Amino acid sequence: DAMVIQNPRYQVTQFGKPVTLSCSQTLNHNVMYWYQQKSSQAPKLLFHYYDKDFNNEADTPDNFQSRRPNTSFCFLDIRSPGLGDAAMYLCATSRDADTQYFGPGTRLTVL
Amino acid sequence: GNSVTQMEGPVTLSEEAFLTINCTYTATGYPSLFWYVQYPGEGLQLLLKATKADDKGSNKGFEATYRKETTSFHLEKGSVQVSDSAVYFCALSDWGSNYKLTFGKGTLLTVNP
Repeated sequence: DAMVIQNPRYQVTQFGKPVTLSCSQTLNHNVMYWYQQKSSQAPKLLFHYYDKDFNNEADTPDNFQSRRPNTSFCFLDIRSPGLGDAAMYLCATSRDADTQYFGPGTRLTVL
Repeated sequence: GNSVTQMEGPVTLSEEAFLTINCTYTATGYPSLFWYVQYPGEGLQLLLKATKADDKGSNKGFEATYRKETTSFHLEKGSVQVSDSAVYFCALSDWGSNYKLTFGKGTLLTVNP
């Protein structure tokens, strides 16, 4: 089945230690999104790639970066994780402005 | 700007009860409307969608009708099961938000046997 895959499902890092989360998709969608979701809240969009074009949300901290080396893969880099960055990170994809499909998420714990 | 207001939970029902979760929206243009479901520890799954007025989205016994006159997209199910326990998010996208999703705050549903 075509799908959105996120690895790892659970990630533990130390305060200030860089961490990378990965997302891959077999849907051949041209748009990929990264969301942050904290407990009991709706997902918050961090940024998205429309094809190769990177689009950052105005309130996304500089600590968060992203890379998209090809159509299928997208990475979220957190340069210096703080305790406030502990959250579920969700990747989603879409074909242009059509419906977004989400992956299972990566739960990040910062010690 | 766009906004989505949905019924705040938590909602607790007994198995086989009728479910309604209210959702109303404000949008610049003519949005597409979605219901996503999130099971504990999981990502969001698309439950159903509607792209124009009077469309009815349906899936797994859940239904929602796009009502332009009342700017609503209420989620209903005739007989809930314990396995329906999850958080439900109403969302919209349209050109006014550059097709980004605007979410409601989510409604936690617990179904007891």
